[in-house]
Amino acid sequence: DAGVIQSPRHEVTEMGQEVTLRCKPISGHDYLFWYRQTMMRGLELLIYFNNNVPIDDSGMPEDRFSAKMPNASFSTLKIQPSEPRDSAVYFCASSRPGLSEQYFGPGTRLTVT
Amino acid sequence: GENVEQHPSTLSVQEGDSAVIKCTYSDSASNYFPWYKQELGKRPQLIIDIRSNVGEKKDQRIAVTLNKTAKHFSLHITETQPEDSAVYFCAASRVSGGYNKLIFGAGTRLAVHP
Repeated sequence: DAGVIQSPRHEVTEMGQEVTLRCKPISGHDYLFWYRQTMMRGLELLIYFNNNVPIDDSGMPEDRFSAKMPNASFSTLKIQPSEPRDSAVYFCASSRPGLSEQYFGPGTRLTVT
Repeated sequence: GENVEQHPSTLSVQEGDSAVIKCTYSDSASNYFPWYKQELGKRPQLIIDIRSNVGEKKDQRIAVTLNKTAKHFSLHITETQPEDSAVYFCAASRVSGGYNKLIFGAGTRLAVHP
């Protein structure tokens, strides 16, 4: 099993540009989570999906952020337009239903200049 | 709303000593309490978890205790080694049906000095 796959691993972009982060969950996992990690705010849940359906997006900071899961093996997190304060490490994680471990991907380090 | 508080924020110990990290949670319906370890530049990885029907769980040098009445749980690491140096996160979740949301603490940076 390759684990959760994220791309790109690093992204540097200019303010105002659109950024798309990608995630492939572990096969068979029904849940997919998007987190943002910064020194100031720690590990924040942005949104999570169950069987490709968004369940809770209360952590999405503002309308500039959107997430989709068109099928069980792919999800995107889009920021449009990006701002310097969006600079962070974005993690995708997946899990089976119930009281089970969330497996994190390697993360995407986003820098917005 | 749901909240998890974690203390201390930093912890420095000598190799071989024990380390204890404590967390409190606000949602009394929480039933799942995992601990994650994150090494510098790496992803968080689960090291141990406990369910609400258990008071204590051990795995070699690490153990977790849960006090549901007081709504707090703790991570204990014995005989610490330099490779235990990392940031540790506690989390709490009220897992039921389609609800499966972890609320993370702010993290504890543990430094183990040789």
